[in-house]
Amino acid sequence: KQEVTQIPAALSVPEGENLVLNCSFTDSAIYNLQWFRQDPGKGLTSLLLIQSSQREQTSGRLNASLDKSSGRSTLYIAASQPGDSATYLCAGSNFGNEKLTFGTGTRLTIIP
Amino acid sequence: EPEVTQTPSHQVTQMGQEVILRCVPISNHLYFYWYRQILGQKVEFLVSFYNNEISEKSEIFDDQFSVERPDGSNFTLKIRSTKLEDSAMYFCASIGGNTEAFFGQGTRLTVV
Repeated sequence: KQEVTQIPAALSVPEGENLVLNCSFTDSAIYNLQWFRQDPGKGLTSLLLIQSSQREQTSGRLNASLDKSSGRSTLYIAASQPGDSATYLCAGSNFGNEKLTFGTGTRLTIIP
Repeated sequence: EPEVTQTPSHQVTQMGQEVILRCVPISNHLYFYWYRQILGQKVEFLVSFYNNEISEKSEIFDDQFSVERPDGSNFTLKIRSTKLEDSAMYFCASIGGNTEAFFGQGTRLTVV
């Protein structure tokens, strides 16, 4: 059974800094790894999807990587802005089953 | 940009009442899901639906829950007799050919 962990649970950084959010998973047979953003009381916005054959994906200031052998994914945010403040969730699915298993999230606060 | 639409955004119901949560997935997607998030907890998988039938359900998805795709666009989650512990945010998601999951904005269900 896939277990997904995100540490730390909360992170505060000054505006303009680069930062890395971590995601760990227990089953290296993970097929897809997806990062989401969740604003308070709102839905989940897909940020990046890393598929099985890929090791990283980039979108604007965001870069996500996937290392199956170590059971880790990271989300790198460059030049952070106050608007990046949100909870970031990672979720994985296994081959042949697109059901997502979520981590508990990292609540990110960017200090102006 | 195509999006998953959920209604209502907030539903308050008395314990023991039936509720129906509605979702309009992205039109060319084939896989549909319901997830829930109890306040302060992880997003949890409830049920997946493909080819007009349930493909997988979690332990949470007991006989009080049912899903339906009554026409070509709507996807509904029914809770037959609500309990206090059903209070949560319920998310609908759909997946297309590239396996990226798109989520709706959620329905906040409050059982009183």
